[in-house]
Amino acid sequence: EADIYQTPRYLVIGTGKKITLECSQTMGHDKMYWYQQDPGMELHLIHYSYGVNSTEKGDLSSESTVSRIRTEHFPLTLESARPSHTSQYLCASQPSRAVNTEAFFGQGTRLTVV
Amino acid sequence: AQKVTQAQTEISVVEKEDVTLDCVYETRDTTYYLFWYKQPPSGELVFLIRRNSFDEQNEISGRYSWNFQKSTSSFNFTITASQVVDSAVYFCALTRHRDDKIIFGKGTRLHILP
Repeated sequence: EADIYQTPRYLVIGTGKKITLECSQTMGHDKMYWYQQDPGMELHLIHYSYGVNSTEKGDLSSESTVSRIRTEHFPLTLESARPSHTSQYLCASQPSRAVNTEAFFGQGTRLTVV
Repeated sequence: AQKVTQAQTEISVVEKEDVTLDCVYETRDTTYYLFWYKQPPSGELVFLIRRNSFDEQNEISGRYSWNFQKSTSSFNFTITASQVVDSAVYFCALTRHRDDKIIFGKGTRLHILP
């Protein structure tokens, strides 16, 4: 069973608020990812990290930011939430010791901005 | 360019029927890895199988089987004697050997009707 956790699971928040979605893993994985999943199911990579102090933007432009100060923690922050940010956000991790292993996913945070 | 195509957006079958989910991929790399993930209603993606480009052997795991054919760039997934618990969104994915960035298909939503 994967040890990757996302909090909160569900969040309803007003426009303009600052929010942080938490993602933690206890597997010691160097690689971590944030995906945004639209209602049509498609997964879009918005941020990734290959280790501490490493962060990169993904394929889909996002107004969110991330940080990686500790190996196990990869939070995503929205400085000013908007209704267009309403989506499901999935965090994932991968070990870097082996090549092209599977990714482990958290249960996601379903964000609604009203 | 890399691409994964899951042409079936949504499939509905009656319980106990067999169902095949199609996956067609594009890559210019000679070494690559293919994956299938399942996303149940709880939200997290669950890894099902990984195949590398040098291993065209088909695999069977219980009611699940995978057919990898490099000649047609396909990696299809068959569920035999489907059950209601198989209802989920299924994603096919591709990574290259030189980096671990995962390219997901758009997913197929599978409904197993009782």
